[in-house]
Amino acid sequence: NAGVMQNPRHLVRRRGQEARLRCSPMKGHSHVYWYRQLPEEGLKFMVYLQKENIIDESGMPKERFSAEFPKEGPSILRIQQVVRGDSAAYFCASSPGVNRDEQYFGPGTRLTVT
Amino acid sequence: AQRVTQPEKLLSVFKGAPVELKCNYSYSGSPELFWYVQYSRQRLQLLLRHISRESIKGFTADLNKGETSFHLKKPFAQEEDSAMYYCALRAGANNLFFGTGTRLTVIP
Repeated sequence: NAGVMQNPRHLVRRRGQEARLRCSPMKGHSHVYWYRQLPEEGLKFMVYLQKENIIDESGMPKERFSAEFPKEGPSILRIQQVVRGDSAAYFCASSPGVNRDEQYFGPGTRLTVT
Repeated sequence: AQRVTQPEKLLSVFKGAPVELKCNYSYSGSPELFWYVQYSRQRLQLLLRHISRESIKGFTADLNKGETSFHLKKPFAQEEDSAMYYCALRAGANNLFFGTGTRLTVIP
C-alpha cells in the first residue's frame, strides 16, 4: 500500500491562474480530508469528502475554492484565480470510512503563487 | 469554538533529559485528542491518541480535562525524537483541529 499520494508535490502559478491539486487516498479508503498550512501556522481543516459527496466544507473559502471526490479517480482541490495569499502547503488525508478512525496524511503539495 | 494551543514553537533538550511538549485545548464538548509527528522529510503521522492510553516510542500523554491539557511527555529524550510535533483535537465530525506545532531538537 503506497499510502496517500498527492501530486504535484510543488506547483507554481502566476496570480490569476488556476491550481489543481490531486489526492489519491490509500487503497480501501473512501474518506478524504484537505488541510491547508500557511507559513508559521498549523494545519487548518478545509473540506471533508466521501465518494461523490461533500460532507463538511466549513473550512473552505466560499469563493474560488472547490473540491470534489468522484466515483473514479483522485480527489481534486481546485483554486481558481489564485492570489499570493493562497501560497501554502496543502495536505490531504484519508481514512477507511469507519467513523472517527485514524487519518493518514499525504506528503503535501506546496503551492507558490508568483 | 475549538482551539488548540501549543505555546512553544521551539524546544531543545539534551539527549537523555526529560521532555514535555505542551498542548492546551478549548472545546465545550467531549474532545478526542491526538499527537501527530513529522520527522524530517517524512509525512505527518499519528503518534498517539488519548483514547488508546498507550505509550508509543516512549511517549505518553494524559488528557487532563480540568486543565484542558494534553501534554506529551518522554522521560529520556533520544536524538531520533527530533521532529515537528502537532497536537490535534477532533470535535464532533471527523475533521481535526491542529495546533501550530512545536519543533523539538534533541541535542546529542
